[in-house]
Amino acid sequence: DTGVSQDPRHKITKRGQNVTFRCDPISEHNRLYWYRQTLGQGPEFLTYFQNEAQLEKSRLLSDRFSAERPKGSFSTLEIQRTEQGDSAMYLCASSYDPDTQYFGPGTRLTVL
Amino acid sequence: DQQVKQNSPSLSVQEGRISILNCDYTNSMFDYFLWYKKYPAEGPTFLISISSIKDKNEDGRFTVFLNKSAKHLSLHIVPSQPGDSAVYFCAASGDTGFQKLVFGTGTRLLVSP
Repeated sequence: DTGVSQDPRHKITKRGQNVTFRCDPISEHNRLYWYRQTLGQGPEFLTYFQNEAQLEKSRLLSDRFSAERPKGSFSTLEIQRTEQGDSAMYLCASSYDPDTQYFGPGTRLTVL
Repeated sequence: DQQVKQNSPSLSVQEGRISILNCDYTNSMFDYFLWYKKYPAEGPTFLISISSIKDKNEDGRFTVFLNKSAKHLSLHIVPSQPGDSAVYFCAASGDTGFQKLVFGTGTRLLVSP
């Protein structure tokens, strides 16, 4: 078991560009979550998948954000037309049904 | 509206002594609580959890206490070690059907030799 992995670990982009992050959950975990953490704050929930179905989205997730989890395996989070306010650590977590969530190392996004 | 609060942004403790980190919550629907430890540039690492049907859970040097009437939980680390120096987040879930975690703002623990 290699844990939750995320790629890339760091991303620097210019305002207006699109970015995509990938998360590979722990195998056999059917639930996958995305969170965002900004400086001085705890992680904030963005969206949740059970298998391939996206079942909940936070109001933090504007229409510039989209997430997918094809075939219930890895997930991608795309941000279109990035803004400086999107700069944050994007965290992915997975769990097996209602149980402890295990987090990946995160993707640090910097929008210039 | 901060539903999970960690009012102490930092705590300094000497090696070998007890560290006590506190967390308060406002949502009475929360029924599962977790503590995570986070090092810089890494994701949160799960430490210990407690269900609302219990008032104490212990795992090695880590013990979590839950006081439901006061809507308060605490994490005790005994004995504290320099490697415990990190940011500790309290998280709660249970008011939705899918275990969305609501985090506090964290407490930075520094354990000095």
